[in-house]
Amino acid sequence: KQEVTQIPAALSVPEGENLVLNCSFTDSAIYNLQWFRQDPGKGLTSLLLIQSSQREQTSGRLNASLDKSSGRSTLYIAASQPGDSATYLCAVEDNNDMRFGAGTRLTVKP
Amino acid sequence: DGGITQSPKYLFRKEGQNVTLSCEQNLNHDAMYWYRQDPGQGLRLIYYSQIVNDFQKGDIAEGYSVSREKKESFPLTVTSAQKNPTAFYLCASTLSGRGDTQYFGPGTRLTVL
Repeated sequence: KQEVTQIPAALSVPEGENLVLNCSFTDSAIYNLQWFRQDPGKGLTSLLLIQSSQREQTSGRLNASLDKSSGRSTLYIAASQPGDSATYLCAVEDNNDMRFGAGTRLTVKP
Repeated sequence: DGGITQSPKYLFRKEGQNVTLSCEQNLNHDAMYWYRQDPGQGLRLIYYSQIVNDFQKGDIAEGYSVSREKKESFPLTVTSAQKNPTAFYLCASTLSGRGDTQYFGPGTRLTVL
């Protein structure tokens, strides 16, 4: 059964810093991996979707990478801003269903 | 604007009552999903539906029921059999199912009094 882990659970950085969020999964036979953003008390917003055949995806200041063989994905946020403060979740889809990590709560301090 | 709406935003239930959470989408998506989110945990799948009049149990279906009579609607009923229903409930949809981007509604927070 696929397990998805995100470490750390919380991260605080000063504004302007580049940062990396981590996601690991136990079974490399995946269809895709998605990164989501969730603001407090809100639904999830999809940020990036990486298909299993891809190594990375980019959108603006965000870059997500995927290494299936090692069961890892990273979300790189460049030049962080206070508006980036949110919880970031990764989700892995395989032959059975989609599994979510518990998320990393990011705080960007002005 | 296309999107997913959930109502109500907040819901309070007395023990022993059934309650129904609404989920509507105007994205013309075939597949719809219900998740439960508890503090400090990832989302867990309750039910999903790939097509009208068909739905499948997820990991934690016990104490819940759904229907899919219309493409745009996927209501979730939390029954009295669900022993710990207090949670944040999220509805999502995808264009056709596996491999597509999931779009989420704003969620319903259910509290049992």
